[in-house]
Amino acid sequence: EVHLVESGGGLVKPGGSLRLSCAASGFSFNYYNMNWVRQAPGKGLEWVSSISSSSSYIYYADSVRGRFTISRDNAKNSLYLQMNRLRGDDTAVYYCARGDNGDYYWGQGALVTVSS
Amino acid sequence: QIVVTQEPSFSVSPGGTATLTCGLSSGSVSANFYPSWYQQTPGQSPRTLIYSTNVRSSGVPHRFSGSILGNKAALTITGAQADDESDYYCVLYMGSGIWVFGGGTKVTVL
Repeated sequence: EVHLVESGGGLVKPGGSLRLSCAASGFSFNYYNMNWVRQAPGKGLEWVSSISSSSSYIYYADSVRGRFTISRDNAKNSLYLQMNRLRGDDTAVYYCARGDNGDYYWGQGALVTVSS
Repeated sequence: QIVVTQEPSFSVSPGGTATLTCGLSSGSVSANFYPSWYQQTPGQSPRTLIYSTNVRSSGVPHRFSGSILGNKAALTITGAQADDESDYYCVLYMGSGIWVFGGGTKVTVL
């Protein structure tokens, strides 16, 4: 069974940093593109970033480009999101999602709260 | 900046048909945008219903279907059931690796 488990969320002050992890199991992680999608409280979904299976291709939304870095370790079946210079509008549940062309399998999400 | 548009809300009777749309603030949606649809109930992770316009994701009931209607992508729920009451989101591929979600449609079954 496919499992995606996010961790590393929490409360951080504006300007601070946080690293999210997504542990994958139940499938061949190194075959799949991976993504981060977030959802601010009471708001809609927002695509954040994608990384190809071999890390050759990486893409970011304008709202996070230059502050966030997506990466993966195929040997550890893990996806990461390094978030720097965090702002209040980065407060959201961050979902790890497997797949491409919109065919996503979703994790349960990790809450990141940016507040002083 | 291009905005992906969805109806904020939609009401359908039990057993009825609901057609939700996903458009662009400028231009037309085609299959080249790989329109995809997701269902989300409060407190839960999204669930993929349809991807690449009309491909039903694994385990999704046949009452959910996707298409292009005119200049928009569409999600049709045929024979709506009470547990279809959820938020529905579409996403479009804008090229260069960029995806943009619509604002979502809150569907009420009553």
